Amino acid sequence: GESVGLHLPTLSVQEGDNSIINCAYSNSASDYFIWYKQESGKGPQFIIDIRSNMDKRQGQRVTVLLNKTVKHLSLQIAATQPGDSAVYFCAERSVKGFQKLVFGTGTRLLVSP
Amino acid sequence: EAGVAQSPRYKIIEKRQSVAFWCNPISGHATLYWYQQILGQGPKLLIQFQNNGVVDDSQLPKDRFSAERLKGVDSTLKIQPAKLEDSAVYLCASSFGASPYTDTQYFGPGTRLTVL
Repeated sequence: GESVGLHLPTLSVQEGDNSIINCAYSNSASDYFIWYKQESGKGPQFIIDIRSNMDKRQGQRVTVLLNKTVKHLSLQIAATQPGDSAVYFCAERSVKGFQKLVFGTGTRLLVSP
Repeated sequence: EAGVAQSPRYKIIEKRQSVAFWCNPISGHATLYWYQQILGQGPKLLIQFQNNGVVDDSQLPKDRFSAERLKGVDSTLKIQPAKLEDSAVYLCASSFGASPYTDTQYFGPGTRLTVL
């Protein structure tokens, strides 16, 4: 399948390890954030979201942390599996204006068996 | 539930030619989006429709790109004439509404355009 990006930052982990993917956002007016997973040849897939009135949200094997002070969010994946290998994007959205979703630069996660 | 459908999946054209992409959103979704994803970058919104009306086309290069959603369901995105820098994956997404908190965008598989 097609590679989403050839020059993306890459995080390589072993199966079973915990993974942490970081993202810095730019707009202090953004108050809603989403993590997407994009596998080769596919469109982005929603993983988890968080509103700016929260600093942590947990899903199944995933946790998102939000630090508004430094405009940073992270995605933690527990017990990483080979099926988690993909490019991960954070996206920010402001509830003002057109509520456009703005994607950040992705991170490629490679999971070795 | 069927996902967002896009066609074609791949297209190769020469510069200055025209090309059109088609998108069929998830049934019942009023909001439709077209994104451009250049290799190595995140998707960038080109245009957003609410039913058959344009909500945001501020990043659409209107001298060469056009999009329509005449009946509020399917949509087409056209490029005429194409330039080398238009080589990218064109993603269509849809959501039930446009609420920032509750309306998740669901993406199609995309159309990969190569302009030679």
